[in-house]
Amino acid sequence: NAGVTQTPKFRVLKTGQSMTLLCAQDMNHEYMYWYRQDPGMGLRLIHYSVGEGTTAKGEVPDGYNVSRLKKQNFLLGLESAAPSQTSVYFCASRVESYTQYFGPGTRLTVL
Amino acid sequence: AQTVTQSQPEMSVQEAETVTLSCTYDTSENNYYLFWYKQPPSRQMILVIRQEAYKQQNATENRFSVNFQKAAKSFSLKISDSQLGDTAMYFCAFLPITGTASKLTFGTGTRLQVTL
Repeated sequence: NAGVTQTPKFRVLKTGQSMTLLCAQDMNHEYMYWYRQDPGMGLRLIHYSVGEGTTAKGEVPDGYNVSRLKKQNFLLGLESAAPSQTSVYFCASRVESYTQYFGPGTRLTVL
Repeated sequence: AQTVTQSQPEMSVQEAETVTLSCTYDTSENNYYLFWYKQPPSRQMILVIRQEAYKQQNATENRFSVNFQKAAKSFSLKISDSQLGDTAMYFCAFLPITGTASKLTFGTGTRLQVTL
């Protein structure tokens, strides 16, 4: 039981490049979330999903897209990366009791 | 909208001593959960403790306990017998119970340094 895993752990992009972050969970959780963490700002919700095939916007969705084609996977896409998207990205999934479990994070730098 | 405030950006405590981290929140909801998460230098977000708003009894987990004051909207974390491994960022988080739309709101964190 690996819990929540994220791929990759680190990535450097140039402005305008695209990439996809993968989140996988093996706990059969319905709900999954993508957050970004910036210095002095805590974690902010980008997008979330309440089940396979569903997605919804969070607090800071602009510049990101997501897909949940399979229950265990939640993908976060950046179509045209900008320096303002330099951040640490966390994926989380939650149980019915509302506790969220987090992945190890992905550090993304956009030059 | 909910807000979570952690007014102590940094704190320091000596090993084996007790430290209390503060958290206040603002909400019009009556049913919600409150959480403390720990983020060590490894960056992993680790759940420390959880409190259900409908429970009057304060939650405890080994050396970690909370002081939950619902009327004052206060949720502080007490760490007893501090250990070097407690050095980390600590985030307070609020979650209203509103069905599928429930979303966590985090505070900005308190950096705790445990010293010898």
